[in-house]
Amino acid sequence: AQSVTQLDSQVPVFEEAPVELRCNYSSSVSVYLFWYVQYPNQGLQLLLKYLSGSTLVKGINGFEAEFNKSQTSFHLRKPSVHISDTAEYFCAVSVNDYKLSFGAGTTVTVRA
Amino acid sequence: DSGVTQTPKHLITATGQRVTLRCSPRSGDLSVYWYQQSLDQGLQFLIQYYNGEERAKGNILERFSAQQFPDLHSELNLSSLELGDSALYFCASSAISSGGSDTQYFGPGTRLTVL
Repeated sequence: AQSVTQLDSQVPVFEEAPVELRCNYSSSVSVYLFWYVQYPNQGLQLLLKYLSGSTLVKGINGFEAEFNKSQTSFHLRKPSVHISDTAEYFCAVSVNDYKLSFGAGTTVTVRA
Repeated sequence: DSGVTQTPKHLITATGQRVTLRCSPRSGDLSVYWYQQSLDQGLQFLIQYYNGEERAKGNILERFSAQQFPDLHSELNLSSLELGDSALYFCASSAISSGGSDTQYFGPGTRLTVL
């Protein structure tokens, strides 16, 4: 079975500073990887996904992630954050059984 | 707005009761998933339906059941409710065009509080 570990539960960051959210996965087969964002009192929204091909994936709102097969990682980055990026971020993995397995989430708090 | 709708937004009920949560998928999506989000368990997959048929089961309790109707909307039934069932329940939908790579679009969730 596959699993996801998000290495940071909380990440405080100043506005306009870069941020990196770390995600490691475990699976015995090839996986698909996703990052979702959950704003307060809302559902989950897809930021980006890795299916195959280029290991650098660009998503919405200036986010990007890099798939590293040897490190079994899929870290999310943004070069300059805004107050509006304050949210909870979830890394998720899927194989051919369709369901998503989520990490515990990382809460990003952006301060002015 | 993902295009997935869930009703009700909030539900408060007592232990031992039964409730039904409803989900309408995005137009054209054939697959519906249910997830539970709680503080202690995080986001957990419960069950998936595809075009009316159960496709996969996750950590769903026997007290919980779901179905998908011919118009593709889905209902999650929770019975003999316990305090620990208090959580946010999400529905997601996807087109299921290519297995696990399909993007799942999430609804806004139903917050269930069991008193």
